[in-house]
Amino acid sequence: DAGVTQSPTHLIKTRGQQVTLRCSPISGHKSVSWYQQVLGQGPQFIFQYYEKEERGRGNFPDRFSARQFPNYSSELNVNALLLGDSALYLCASSPADRGVNQPQHFGDGTRLSIL
Amino acid sequence: AQSVAQPEDQVNVAEGNPLTVKCTYSVSGNPYLFWYVQYPNRGLQFLLKYITGDNLVKGSYGFEAEFNKSQTSFHLKKPSALVSDSALYFCAVRDKNTGGFKTIFGAGTRLFVKA
Repeated sequence: DAGVTQSPTHLIKTRGQQVTLRCSPISGHKSVSWYQQVLGQGPQFIFQYYEKEERGRGNFPDRFSARQFPNYSSELNVNALLLGDSALYLCASSPADRGVNQPQHFGDGTRLSIL
Repeated sequence: AQSVAQPEDQVNVAEGNPLTVKCTYSVSGNPYLFWYVQYPNRGLQFLLKYITGDNLVKGSYGFEAEFNKSQTSFHLKKPSALVSDSALYFCAVRDKNTGGFKTIFGAGTRLFVKA
């Protein structure tokens, strides 16, 4: 079975631009979460979606938004990019909603560089 | 508020020796605890979790972790380290009472296993 897939793998943008990152969860997984991992730090929670609804949001500005589609894939959008948005963006899927004891399965991430 | 501390940025151990990677946590309720490993340019891979029950949890690749409620710790251990265990290790916590998948990660500990 395919794991969590993310696209693109690398992306270079300039300040002020907008970016869309994509994630396809493992087949059968209905929950998708997004994390930002800045170099040298642990992943920081951005969003969780389940059944196309936002179920959790971390401490990120409104420039960050996301959505989940009927096939459970997801997009993360970031507007008005800042230098500090440079990071590895990780998507993780999980099979259950309230099953918070389930581990998450991570994709390899999208490396976003802001110039 | 939930938090995770990994007090060591780096742990060095000789191949064949036992290893320990430390983690302490803080949650308002009962915790779900996880360990993940990250190899260069890859996403996080699940190693093991503590949900309830036996304080000693066994996971993938010979790793285990000991939950200590009084010390609020969840240290990762392996009896005999391999060079291939060299990677970045993250401890993570979720609060059972808040629901959802908001996972708080530690800053990570880099493990070097020397041949």
